[in-house]
Amino acid sequence: GAVVSQHPSWVICKSGTSVKIECRSLDFQATTMFWYRQFPKQSLMLMATSNEGSKATYEQGVEKDKFLINHASLTLSTLTVTSAHPEDSSFYICSATRGSFEQYFGPGTRLTVT
Amino acid sequence: KQEVTQIPAALSVPEGENLVLNCSFTDSAIYNLQWFRQDPGKGLTSLLLIQSSQREQTSGRLNASLDKSSGRSTLYIAASQPGDSATYLCAVSGYSTLTFGKGTMLLVSP
Repeated sequence: GAVVSQHPSWVICKSGTSVKIECRSLDFQATTMFWYRQFPKQSLMLMATSNEGSKATYEQGVEKDKFLINHASLTLSTLTVTSAHPEDSSFYICSATRGSFEQYFGPGTRLTVT
Repeated sequence: KQEVTQIPAALSVPEGENLVLNCSFTDSAIYNLQWFRQDPGKGLTSLLLIQSSQREQTSGRLNASLDKSSGRSTLYIAASQPGDSATYLCAVSGYSTLTFGKGTMLLVSP
């Protein structure tokens, strides 16, 4: 149990366009979902925390108008990168919890902005 | 602010060796500590989770220890295999967030 999926697994988009990444908890209801970003050879950096039905809490330095997070249900959170630029190219990973402190991670989404 | 450091950054060993990966953290007020494995271009696989009240956890050839007071954890891998080659990440849990180290990139050669 505790499987988290992400879609798409990779995406290429042109600079200036927007791209949406989905994170789903497949076999449990996620009270909280997290979005991380990982640059090559770097650690995972938390971008934002979202709870179903409420606004996401963004980490310092993360532009909330650029990285839109919608947590519409207990099994789905979406991250939309708006007006993407090449520097947004990264590996985006989501995770979900079901009430405890343990986070279950998705397989990640590789975003390349050309 | 919690900071997590992993040493070494990279490690290359021949198959069969026992090895130790180190993780240190600056704030000992943690709920738990996790070790993850990450293969290139992939997500995270949870290996071991140690609650703050525990001293160690074991799973197969893996053993993780936690010394919360000194802010240290080690991951011991016994009889390493080429399939163990990956990046190993240490993460500590605060109230609602995980703070990750940069990882140790392990290469086990046949």
